[in-house]
Amino acid sequence: GAGVSQSPSNKVTEKGKDVELRCDPISGHTALYWYRQSLGQGLEFLIYFQGNSAPDKSGLPSDRFSAERTGGSVSTLTIQRTQQEDSAVYLCASSLVAVVGDTEAFFGQGTRLTVV
Amino acid sequence: AQSVTQLDSQVPVFEEAPVELRCNYSSSVSVYLFWYVQYPNQGLQLLLKYLSGSTLVKGINGFEAEFNKSQTSFHLRKPSVHISDTAEYFCAVSENDYKLSFGAGTTVTVRA
Repeated sequence: GAGVSQSPSNKVTEKGKDVELRCDPISGHTALYWYRQSLGQGLEFLIYFQGNSAPDKSGLPSDRFSAERTGGSVSTLTIQRTQQEDSAVYLCASSLVAVVGDTEAFFGQGTRLTVV
Repeated sequence: AQSVTQLDSQVPVFEEAPVELRCNYSSSVSVYLFWYVQYPNQGLQLLLKYLSGSTLVKGINGFEAEFNKSQTSFHLRKPSVHISDTAEYFCAVSENDYKLSFGAGTTVTVRA
């Protein structure tokens, strides 16, 4: 597609359940990022993928969070045993090269996760 | 590690009035600076960025920002706003790597 696509757009889940969030980056973009946007907060970096390099997972808040990127394209963010504090908008972005200064990051419209 | 502070969480402004959104950052090294905008029910999009060179950067929709190294600031300005500028604005910084650090955002509400 022309832009970064995320699905689902909204997800309501019960506390303790696992969820999977999907991101389809722009075709040809080698870098992919996940951010979390909580109400009244800034954007929190979660994880970064670049080509075949090992991902930077330094932003993942706990071991309940994991992400993978298959074939250098689609990425899935998985949250296990969801908690109410996981409720937020999860944003995916992609860019053509790794260095932010060289190009811009294009964001998807996000997945709004609500844990009840 | 860098951090970003947006000094105003809410900025109400009348149509055709000027607006300034303040952003300060902390970093011990050279940085790249960005402003992103998020219109209601839409994703974030880039307004402008400072990489090097002229400290006055012009972006889309009539916005501009000035990098001030001594004050570690990157304030965003527009001389005359429109109703369509109602949105949330995020300042971001990167220390020559891929990891963008964002401020908490400033909500601009333009009234007729």
